[in-house]
Amino acid sequence: IQMTQSPSLLSASVGDRVTLSCKAGQNINNYLAWYQQKLGEAPKLLIYNANSLQTGIPSRFSGSGSGTDYTLTISSLQPEDVATYFCQQYNSWTTFGAGTKLELK
Amino acid sequence: EIQLQESGPGLVKPSQSLSLTCSVTGYTITSGYDWSWIRKFPGNKMEWMGYISYSGSTNYNPSLKSRISITRDTSKNQFFLQLNSVTTEDTATYYCARITTWGTFDYWGQGVMVTVSS
Repeated sequence: IQMTQSPSLLSASVGDRVTLSCKAGQNINNYLAWYQQKLGEAPKLLIYNANSLQTGIPSRFSGSGSGTDYTLTISSLQPEDVATYFCQQYNSWTTFGAGTKLELK
Repeated sequence: EIQLQESGPGLVKPSQSLSLTCSVTGYTITSGYDWSWIRKFPGNKMEWMGYISYSGSTNYNPSLKSRISITRDTSKNQFFLQLNSVTTEDTATYYCARITTWGTFDYWGQGVMVTVSS
């Protein structure tokens, strides 16, 4: 299943509400996860099952969506949120999106 | 704290085998979960390669099935990736990760960059 993320690059200011998109090539039944990867670090699981927050992840991160279209929202961007974010579907085997790089404006 | 750490050569010649080790601390790999290898190509495309379960069974991405082997050494709490007959298209950053019961990856290593070049 192909996963398409948009935009590939996003510039935003501290305090902004940020929305990242992930679109699946077919219905993935909410089996969608979001990860954050900072430069030189291991990826970190943020969201699973489309909208469940992983333990220890700040509540400013949230996930939504259904069917083929999913969204990761950061309610108030913090400097430490600068990273690449990628999605993963696990409805059929598993495939990943190519990521959205989030930078500060 | 659960930690995973990949290790292995950063340069492999075409047609040779790529061999990597994932060392796990903070959790015994025979206690539960599946343990996976994932790679990220230049350009950021990621590919799940396969896993070894806590019981020792394996499952591989069909696209790699003829070239891949994942094994383990339970005495050292390590698992291994071997990829045979590599080409330049196998150049990537290789990650090991733990798979949750849902199918997500909750602990990852930092990754090791492997270049296939003569």
